[in-house]
Amino acid sequence: NAGVTQTPKFQVLKTGQSMTLQCAQDMNHNSMYWYRQDPGMGLRLIYYSASEGTTDKGEVPNGYNVSRLNKREFSLRLESAAPSQTSVYFCASSTTGTPNSPLHFGNGTRLTVT
Amino acid sequence: KNEVEQSPQNLTAQEGEFITINCSYSVGISALHWLQQHPGGGIVSLFMLSSGKKKHGRLIATINIQEKHSSLHITASHPRDSAVYICAVSNRRGGADGLTFGKGTHLIIQP
Repeated sequence: NAGVTQTPKFQVLKTGQSMTLQCAQDMNHNSMYWYRQDPGMGLRLIYYSASEGTTDKGEVPNGYNVSRLNKREFSLRLESAAPSQTSVYFCASSTTGTPNSPLHFGNGTRLTVT
Repeated sequence: KNEVEQSPQNLTAQEGEFITINCSYSVGISALHWLQQHPGGGIVSLFMLSSGKKKHGRLIATINIQEKHSSLHITASHPRDSAVYICAVSNRRGGADGLTFGKGTHLIIQP
């Protein structure tokens, strides 16, 4: 019963490097989300996909791109990493495209940009 | 944008104590979520409620829509309840991007 699987768990990048965070869910959920969590702040939405084939910006999209590859997979790409992107990233999914559906989270990716 | 305030920010209690964590928000909502984040980092959804009260095991969540306030209670607390508890509210618009998260309450239960 995997739920939401995120990879990698940890990553260290140098400024300017690129990487893709992978996320997959096996619950047949329509909606998927990428959040970042920083000390002293609540989770903030980077991008979301309300349904397969759609993506939209959240609160803090600058410096990121996303791809909803299919219903299961939603990836987050950092094209040119910056120290300000040091954070813990969480992927989440929910049944429907409204915030009234319970969220299911992955275990997070701890990213450090030096 | 909704402002979500949680209190207390940090709470240390002894095993067996009754725990209350509070969440207040500034704008009317369609639902409120309580989440639990364990020291390992994973986040689990505990409750989603739009009115009244829900109970799951030793956890109870209540919401007062008129007062824009919710509480999470833990009865007979145990060290395994040690975690960060996060409140999140959804706006009335109901879009998929409509969740605002509190900063969390860090709970430590000592044996």
